Amino acid sequence: DVVVTQSPVSLPVTLGQPAFISCRSSQSLVHSDGNTYMNWFHQRPGQSPRRLIYQVSKRDSGVPDRFSGSGSGTDFTLKISRVEAEDVGIYYCMEGLRWPWTFGQGTTVEIK
Amino acid sequence: EVQLVTSGGDLVQPGGSLILSCVGSRFIFSADWMSWVRQAPGRGLEWVAVMNRDSSEKYYVDSVKGRFTVSRDNAKTSMFLQMNSLRAEDTAVYFCVRNGATGTVDYWGQGTLVTVSS
Repeated sequence: DVVVTQSPVSLPVTLGQPAFISCRSSQSLVHSDGNTYMNWFHQRPGQSPRRLIYQVSKRDSGVPDRFSGSGSGTDFTLKISRVEAEDVGIYYCMEGLRWPWTFGQGTTVEIK
Repeated sequence: EVQLVTSGGDLVQPGGSLILSCVGSRFIFSADWMSWVRQAPGRGLEWVAVMNRDSSEKYYVDSVKGRFTVSRDNAKTSMFLQMNSLRAEDTAVYFCVRNGATGTVDYWGQGTLVTVSS
């Protein structure tokens, strides 16, 4: 199974400042079809997760452009360019290379 | 927008059984792979099972193999998770999720709580 290691566990940020979340996979997430299957989700308390990013850097419709994904192979980053109050919650990365898909441990973003 | 309505969660004793249901709407249900993902209280997300469009391919996380069975009825735009021999560690909110495309899941249902306890 692919192991995904996410960091940090907790991320206190100041409003308007950038935030970075990292995920590292135990093996390359480049599929035989040439695509790289790394996803990012955001979950607010009491809500279902919402996808933000798929295939490393493709942003979902309606996701603010302050969110961006980058990386390749085994190392990936989610960046929030200027954190807003509505961005609090838990962020998860998820690899979609082969079953069983695995999630990172989650990063809790809170406002300082 | 895509809707996934999940139901069936309940309190069940260890060793018991339960079946969860998910009804999809506002998309072509038969065209998509579908998954179950769970989240234990205060914990992270764990992918549980996935099934392809015509039920010919099914994959499970090791911890539920032999105990859980995923199925679907495309005519009723529904997916099911039959859970047998339930354990305390199966206690979680179970989400019905649409795969949407290769390597990803895009829409999530609201989740249903399964509690395994005596």
